[in-house]
Amino acid sequence: KNEVEQSPQNLTAQEGEFITINCSYSVGISALHWLQQHPGGGIVSLFMLSSGKKKHGRLIATINIQEKHSSLHITASHPRDSAVYICAVRSGGAQKLVFGQGTRLTINP
Amino acid sequence: DGGITQSPKYLFRKEGQNVTLSCEQNLNHDAMYWYRQDPGQGLRLIYYSQIVNDFQKGDIAEGYSVSREKKESFPLTVTSAQKNPTAFYLCASSINREETQYFGPGTRLLVL
Repeated sequence: KNEVEQSPQNLTAQEGEFITINCSYSVGISALHWLQQHPGGGIVSLFMLSSGKKKHGRLIATINIQEKHSSLHITASHPRDSAVYICAVRSGGAQKLVFGQGTRLTINP
Repeated sequence: DGGITQSPKYLFRKEGQNVTLSCEQNLNHDAMYWYRQDPGQGLRLIYYSQIVNDFQKGDIAEGYSVSREKKESFPLTVTSAQKNPTAFYLCASSINREETQYFGPGTRLLVL
């Protein structure tokens, strides 16, 4: 079993829909990251969380440390949100990130 | 503009050949990383460096080598010992190992 599991692996939705992508992890962590990878391959960091909730524009990230679970939500989704969304965790004291396999999101107009 | 650059965008390797992927950053970051991405898999860490003239192996260092002679630069050499080099290679940097990592645009390596 991978240390970081994302679901779903693929998600297709219509423009305007509310999107939720989930990330579960099996180790104690000091921080969790959400990243966005566009079709060209470039990766952008969206959020770094250690507790609670963060919001940036239409994106919201939450984390429940007790349940070892995080969600990324997109409100009023748009075709330009189509990308692979990646969850990564840093376990306490570790010097590296462990990455999930990614969730491929497609938003149709 | 501050950022991370990788070159080339595409690289072709012949059998038995060593190739070097470039990674440069002007963000004044201490930490730099190399990752490999294969289809359907999460990013895997090849090497990382927390400071000039120091680097550590990641999870899949075999067949790769790095150097960190300057703060701005962290080149990755894919040696002939790496038997399955075809992948997408991403370089990243961060202020220190605890902070957000900023990624370069990547280099796609293909074997002829």
